[in-house]
Amino acid sequence: DGGITQSPKYLFRKEGQNVTLSCEQNLNHDAMYWYRQDPGQGLRLIYYSQIVNDFQKGDIAEGYSVSREKKESFPLTVTSAQKNPTAFYLCASSMFAGGFTEAFFGQGTRLTVV
Amino acid sequence: EDKVVQSPLSLVVHEGDTVTLNCSYEVTNFRSLLWYKQEKKAPTFLFMLTSSGIEKKSGRLSSILDKKELSSILNITATQTGDSAIYLCAVKPNYGGSQGNLIFGKGTKLSVKP
Repeated sequence: DGGITQSPKYLFRKEGQNVTLSCEQNLNHDAMYWYRQDPGQGLRLIYYSQIVNDFQKGDIAEGYSVSREKKESFPLTVTSAQKNPTAFYLCASSMFAGGFTEAFFGQGTRLTVV
Repeated sequence: EDKVVQSPLSLVVHEGDTVTLNCSYEVTNFRSLLWYKQEKKAPTFLFMLTSSGIEKKSGRLSSILDKKELSSILNITATQTGDSAIYLCAVKPNYGGSQGNLIFGKGTKLSVKP
């Protein structure tokens, strides 16, 4: 089935650790995005990538890093510099058809710092 | 600063009721407005609106954009318990001829009681 797969669904991190969230899509979409969702905050953009080997910071990029070595993959690393990483992380992708279309989302990863 | 504001933030209704969710925006160079439904994890796409006054409809859901008022409404008629979800509004701006990324509101949490 075509879609966006995020893993793991739940992740626990000790303070001071880096962790990497996986996002893979088989929709052949050009653009991929990472959002963070906190209760009552809506979705906030962390990083996005419109083509392979290129990515841009979103509104809340501090403490995060990404790579886009393959079109289908856009992993997000939450570093120890991110002071409040407990949140729900959503990956999304969209295609370019005369302009980027609506974004399709994965099922999310819930990250908890213990 | 670009922003999207949704109201109400939460709403409780009974099955069979009709509800109207509101979304207003302040965005430089508006391109499109999107509605998503988020039940448990992944937001699912509902509508994309680009032209003022043209209603988009899907079953019991409909939405319309008013560019003059910088707003959109999402109507749900004959609500069912399965409509319980967070409804997200997002706006895509144009930045210097290229598309900006989605700017999300905080969402409206709808609870439909049997």
